Amino acid sequence: AQSVTQPDIHITVSEGASLELRCNYSYGATPYLFWYVQSPGQGLQLLLKYFSGDTLVQGIKGFEAEFKRSQSSFNLRKPSVHWSDAAEYFCAVGITGTASKLTFGTGTRLQVTL
Amino acid sequence: GAGVSQSPSNKVTEKGKDVELRCDPISGHTALYWYRQSLGQGLEFLIYFQGNSAPDKSGLPSDRFSAERTGGSVSTLTIQRTQQEDSAVYLCASSIGHLRNTEAFFGQGTRLTVV
Repeated sequence: AQSVTQPDIHITVSEGASLELRCNYSYGATPYLFWYVQSPGQGLQLLLKYFSGDTLVQGIKGFEAEFKRSQSSFNLRKPSVHWSDAAEYFCAVGITGTASKLTFGTGTRLQVTL
Repeated sequence: GAGVSQSPSNKVTEKGKDVELRCDPISGHTALYWYRQSLGQGLEFLIYFQGNSAPDKSGLPSDRFSAERTGGSVSTLTIQRTQQEDSAVYLCASSIGHLRNTEAFFGQGTRLTVV
């Protein structure tokens, strides 16, 4: 069965600094990969997704992620973090043919200091 | 409505009681999902409905959990004889089709507390 690991439970960065959130997955074939953000009191919102093609994916709010098959990773990046980016971030994997059943990581909570 | 609506937003129940959680998906969305979010556990898939197809129930943790979707729209998740370990936020999502071509929109969830 597929699985997702987000090794960092909590990350703190200064506003304006760059950000990278790590995500590793385990699945035998090329998965569908997603990043979601959950802000306090808000529902989950899709940031970006990867299905095939270009391994560098652009998303909303200035985020991007890169799929690296050799490392089974799909890390989320942002060059300059804003205070409003403070939230919890979830990586998820969906197996090909049935992306409906997403497997989520345990999340990384991002704190942004001014 | 404009988004996925879940009710109630909060529910406190006594151990052993049954509870029903409701989800109103976005109009026209054929796919509906239930997930459970427990503290420190991430999101756990529970069940998936797609149109008139048989639901994928593979994530339901026990036979105390069941869900139905009436008329291809509203869904109800029922937990019988609730236990303290059922305490969690239950999230519903809907999408217009396969997630390759669209995205799943999540509701704000129902926070269930079993005391």
